[in-house]
Amino acid sequence: AQSVTQLDSQVPVFEEAPVELRCNYSSSVSVYLFWYVQYPNQGLQLLLKYLSGSTLVKGINGFEAEFNKSQTSFHLRKPSVHISDTAEYFCAVSETGANNLFFGTGTRLTVIP
Amino acid sequence: EPEVTQTPSHQVTQMGQEVILRCVPISNHLYFYWYRQILGQKVEFLVSFYNNEISEKSEIFDDQFSVERPDGSNFTLKIRSTKLEDSAMYFCASSGQLNSPLHFGNGTRLTVT
Repeated sequence: AQSVTQLDSQVPVFEEAPVELRCNYSSSVSVYLFWYVQYPNQGLQLLLKYLSGSTLVKGINGFEAEFNKSQTSFHLRKPSVHISDTAEYFCAVSETGANNLFFGTGTRLTVIP
Repeated sequence: EPEVTQTPSHQVTQMGQEVILRCVPISNHLYFYWYRQILGQKVEFLVSFYNNEISEKSEIFDDQFSVERPDGSNFTLKIRSTKLEDSAMYFCASSGQLNSPLHFGNGTRLTVT
């Protein structure tokens, strides 16, 4: 079975500062990894995904994440955040060949002007 | 860009009543899902649906739950006799292929009183 741990439930950061949102997973099989963002009163929107290939994945809105197999991590980063990045961010994992996603508990990113 | 749409956005029902949550997946997608998020908790997988049958379900998805694709466009989740603990945000999602990213709707907030 897979599980996802997002250690930081809340991350406040000043505008234009860099941010890293941490995600660790556990699985006994090969996995795909995802980051989703949830803006207030909206659904989950895909930010980026890792399926195979390069371990550095670039997504929308200037976000990127790096898959580290030895650390079983998939941390999300952005070099300079904007007010509009304030949202809840969810890391998720799925087993290759399976449909269902396992989500972390989410990290609320608050960008301070 | 095509979207997954869910109706209603908010449903209030009394304990013991039946509810049907409705979803219109993206039109050329073949895989359909329901997830739920109890307030303050992680997003949890309920069920996946492909080729007019359930392909996977979690232990949350007991006999009180059922899904249906009554026509070519709708995908519904029925809760037969709601309990207080069914109060949550319910997300519908769809994907075009196995392992392709899920597209989520904005969710239906179900409140059981």
